[in-house]
Amino acid sequence: EVQLVESGGGLVQPGGSLRLSCAASGFTFSSYAMSWVRQAPGKGLEWVSAISGSGGSTYYADSVKGRFTISRDNSKNTLYLQMNSLRAEDTAVYYCAKVRGYCSGGSCYEGGWFDPWGQGTLVTVSS
Amino acid sequence: EIVMTQSPATLSVSPGERATLSCRASQSVSSNLAWYQQKPGQAPRLLIYGASTRATGIPARFSGSGSGTEFTLTISSLQSEDFAVYYCQQYNNWPPAYTFGQGTKLEIK
Repeated sequence: EVQLVESGGGLVQPGGSLRLSCAASGFTFSSYAMSWVRQAPGKGLEWVSAISGSGGSTYYADSVKGRFTISRDNSKNTLYLQMNSLRAEDTAVYYCAKVRGYCSGGSCYEGGWFDPWGQGTLVTVSS
Repeated sequence: EIVMTQSPATLSVSPGERATLSCRASQSVSSNLAWYQQKPGQAPRLLIYGASTRATGIPARFSGSGSGTEFTLTISSLQSEDFAVYYCQQYNNWPPAYTFGQGTKLEIK
């Protein structure tokens, strides 16, 4: 059974830093891209960042570019999100998700839909 | 950025009836669209990918259709456990710049 378990959330002051982790099990971790998606309280889903299976390619939403860094340790089956210069608007539940690849029009892509998702970890940015 | 717009924001339907949820993309995403269900306090769950393919374990009462810019999620006969928030998501871009719709809350009438 595929499992994703996030940790590392908590209360942090504006301008502070936090590192989230996502421990994966039940699949060949290095074969899949992974992603972070967040959800502010009472709001919808917002994609944050993604990383290729090898870790060699990373992608970010404009809202976090330059402040957040996604990484992975395939030897430990763990995904990370280093969050710096945190703002109040970063307050959210952060989910990690396995990214399913797909093929279309003769080309195959590593980045498709998200399945499954972890249970999420809450990050609160407040003084 | 591809903007995803869902309608309606809230849909009130009686158990046993059919529910139809819409999702529109600001530009064509081909069939690169997924639907998720989210219940309070839970993580989203994948329902549909490729616009019309049900994910593993998803009941046949859930169906997806559409391509290009117009998509529909239909729940043929609502069960009590189906009342939740539903999100569409496009994955057409490469490099990825995923975007979600704002969600449709399906509530009991």
